[in-house]
Amino acid sequence: EVQLVESGGGLVQPGGSLRLSCAASGFTYTYYWMSWVRQAPGKGLEWVANIHQDGTEKYYVDSVKGRFTISRDNAKNSLYLQMNSLRAEDTAVYYCARLEVGGNPLFDNWGQGTLVTVSS
Amino acid sequence: DIQMTQSPSSLSASVGDRVTITCRASQVITNSLVWYQQKPGKAPKLLLYATSRLESGVPFRFSGRGSGTDYTLTISSLQPEDFATYYCQQYYSIPPTFGQGTKVEIK
Repeated sequence: EVQLVESGGGLVQPGGSLRLSCAASGFTYTYYWMSWVRQAPGKGLEWVANIHQDGTEKYYVDSVKGRFTISRDNAKNSLYLQMNSLRAEDTAVYYCARLEVGGNPLFDNWGQGTLVTVSS
Repeated sequence: DIQMTQSPSSLSASVGDRVTITCRASQVITNSLVWYQQKPGKAPKLLLYATSRLESGVPFRFSGRGSGTDYTLTISSLQPEDFATYYCQQYYSIPPTFGQGTKVEIK
């Protein structure tokens, strides 16, 4: 069974930093692109970033470029999102998601999410 | 970026009803469309991909069709467990973008 378990969310002040983690299990992690997708309270879904199987290719939504960094540790079957210079509009539930095996940016498995609140 | 517009934003229906949700892309996406179901407090769940292909384990009452810029999700006979919010998403180009969601409520 595919499992994705996020951690690291919490309350942070504007301008602060936070690092999210996602522990993956139940599948061959190195076969898959991975992603972060977020959802502001009461709002819709927004893709944040993707990372290639070996970590060499990364893509970001424009609103987080230069502030967020996606990375992975294949030895630990883990995905990360380093978030710097956080803004109120970054407040959201952040989901770790697996892209389908062909690498198309559609998400066939999701974690339960971790809430990030940016507020003073 | 490709904009995805869903309609309606919400609807009320009864168990057994046939329900159709529409998703329109701002440009041709060549069937690169998926549908997700999300229940309150839960992660989205993939229902269909490539417009009409059912994800494993998804009931056959869910179906999708469309082409070009216009796509639909149909639930042939609404069941109690289907009351949720549904999102379309295009994966034709980066960034992948979602519709704003359609909330299906009990009448």
